[in-house]
Amino acid sequence: AQKITQTQPGMFVQEKEAVTLDCTYDTSDPSYGLFWYKQPSSGEMIFLIYQGSYDQQNATEGRYSLNFQKARKSANLVISASQLGDSAMYFCAMREGNTGKLIFGQGTTLQVKP
Amino acid sequence: EAGVAQSPRYKIIEKRQSVAFWCNPISGHATLYWYQQILGQGPKLLIQFQNNGVVDDSQLPKDRFSAERLKGVDSTLKIQPAKLEDSAVYLCASSLYPGAKGQGNSPLHFGNGTRLTVT
Repeated sequence: AQKITQTQPGMFVQEKEAVTLDCTYDTSDPSYGLFWYKQPSSGEMIFLIYQGSYDQQNATEGRYSLNFQKARKSANLVISASQLGDSAMYFCAMREGNTGKLIFGQGTTLQVKP
Repeated sequence: EAGVAQSPRYKIIEKRQSVAFWCNPISGHATLYWYQQILGQGPKLLIQFQNNGVVDDSQLPKDRFSAERLKGVDSTLKIQPAKLEDSAVYLCASSLYPGAKGQGNSPLHFGNGTRLTVT
């Protein structure tokens, strides 16, 4: 069964606007963590933001914020004030308990238009 | 701090040949991971090491893939013999031990990967 689902293969956003990238997950473990990574065309995986299952508030890191809706099992990434350099592939990932490994979704390609 | 180092950056081989990839994790990171990323897909875990012991190799095709992490630092991933479907980017990552107190949020730090093409 797919544990992490990203239903948007590709997204476009106008420069300086905000964009939301969707992610839903499935787990029966009450302790888990959700991560978002950015992968530019150069290929490196860049860690963006983390949300723990017990965190009371939504995570924020600069222009990145995570819209965490636990009951819906969704962890959407919001990028505010998009920049041309935000054009990349974005992956949502989950860690169950303290296993260490991350399970990744299929990714969403974001293109920022000038 | 220095990041995760991987080599080679690119490799082209013919099917049925063998190939090896090398990874040096961030200093102090006890946990090391090898992921396979096929074009257009998310990374898939092949094997996870804790120090020099294997934690998870459930998705490693053991008839052709092998990996080791001698002395709990560097790691090598080998494919022998390679198949066309092994064409992918092989990513190495490391992290602090996530089971340690306060480290559950420890992200994986990735290397730049090795792009393998099997012809």
